[in-house]
Amino acid sequence: GAGVSQSPSNKVTEKGKDVELRCDPISGHTALYWYRQSLGQGLEFLIYFQGNSAPDKSGLPSDRFSAERTGGSVSTLTIQRTQQEDSAVYLCASSLGAGTIAKNIQYFGAGTRLSVL
Amino acid sequence: GEDVEQSLFLSVREGDSSVINCTYTDSSSTYLYWYKQEPGAGLQLLTYIFSNMDMKQDQRLTVLLNKKDKHLSLRIADTQTGDSAIYFCAERGNDYKLSFGAGTTVTVRA
Repeated sequence: GAGVSQSPSNKVTEKGKDVELRCDPISGHTALYWYRQSLGQGLEFLIYFQGNSAPDKSGLPSDRFSAERTGGSVSTLTIQRTQQEDSAVYLCASSLGAGTIAKNIQYFGAGTRLSVL
Repeated sequence: GEDVEQSLFLSVREGDSSVINCTYTDSSSTYLYWYKQEPGAGLQLLTYIFSNMDMKQDQRLTVLLNKKDKHLSLRIADTQTGDSAIYFCAERGNDYKLSFGAGTTVTVRA
């Protein structure tokens, strides 16, 4: 597609439920990133994919969080047994690669606003 | 992780220049970026600067980098109402990770 697409744009869920957030990167971009933006804070890195593999999961806050990427394209971020502190905007970005500057410019989607009641 | 700090708010009159400041701690930073976020939208890359440069100009935007002091600034000339947004400073070390500041909310008043 023309840009990074995320769905849903808004998600309201009850505490304890599982949620899935989807990211469709720019066509041809091999690198994909998930970030979390909490109110009044900067972006917190969650996970990075190169192709279908995730060499860096260091930012995932707990084992309730997982992500996968299939076909080198679409990625899904899953949060199990959601808690109120999971409420945030989840942003996805993609880049051509992860090397030189030209390849590492990260293009962001509009995000999914998650509210856990 | 690396720390990136920005002031949280800036109010500027339409037509004046805006200056947004950022400091970072990672001495191995290779590239530094400015992103803009409008309400309900994702982050839009405005400009970036390589760490061996002191200044970069792009139309109304001027980026200044003081590597010794680890200080980055973004100047917006002739600020317009459409410039009202949150501006994020980000730095990249020797890998792919970007470390972001908390963002500066710029409000342009008539």
